[in-house]
Amino acid sequence: EAGVTQFPSHSVIEKGQTVTLRCDPISGHDNLYWYRRVMGKEIKFLLHFVKESKQDESGMPNNRFLAERTGGTYSTLKVQPAELEDSGVYFCASSQPGTTYEQYFGPGTRLTVT
Amino acid sequence: LAKTTQPISMDSYEGQEVNITCSHNNIATNDYITWYQQFPSQGPRFIIQGYKTKVTNEVASLFIPADRKSSTLSLPRVSLSDTAVYYCLVGVRPRDDKIIFGKGTRLHILP
Repeated sequence: EAGVTQFPSHSVIEKGQTVTLRCDPISGHDNLYWYRRVMGKEIKFLLHFVKESKQDESGMPNNRFLAERTGGTYSTLKVQPAELEDSGVYFCASSQPGTTYEQYFGPGTRLTVT
Repeated sequence: LAKTTQPISMDSYEGQEVNITCSHNNIATNDYITWYQQFPSQGPRFIIQGYKTKVTNEVASLFIPADRKSSTLSLPRVSLSDTAVYYCLVGVRPRDDKIIFGKGTRLHILP
């Protein structure tokens, strides 16, 4: 069974540019989560999809971040325009319904904004 | 979610058994205890979950005393590859909720 995949693995962009991160969850997992860790900080929740619907987006830092999950399969997280403080590692995770905390994480996308 | 407290860091040597204890004094009746492991440059990985007494799998054992106010993750005969951050989480199951990560315990295995 393929795990959660994320693309790209690394991205370096300039302040003010746009970046789109992609996450492909494990097939059949209705739940999809985005998290991020900025340098020296703890991993923080961003948002949670159930299929194509946003269940919880309380962790999204501001309206420069837009997450989508069209068709309930893969998800994208767009940052526009990127700021320096957006640098960090963005993790995606997926899970089956009813399996508390048994989330499967991808390897992360390291975003550097210069 | 019940608040958890675990050591910031631990060192051990290859071949030793490592025990990481997590305190969760205000754990609720319906809360389960879950541990995640995160290797450098990777995403966190679920390793074990339990409610009471002892749970064992191919990776670790989880010991939970009767009062459930703490739990101990036990890693038998560690190797250098067990160097990672270990997170203790407490929450209700089943619930497809976000994970709130703390600082975790940074385990460093020495040769």
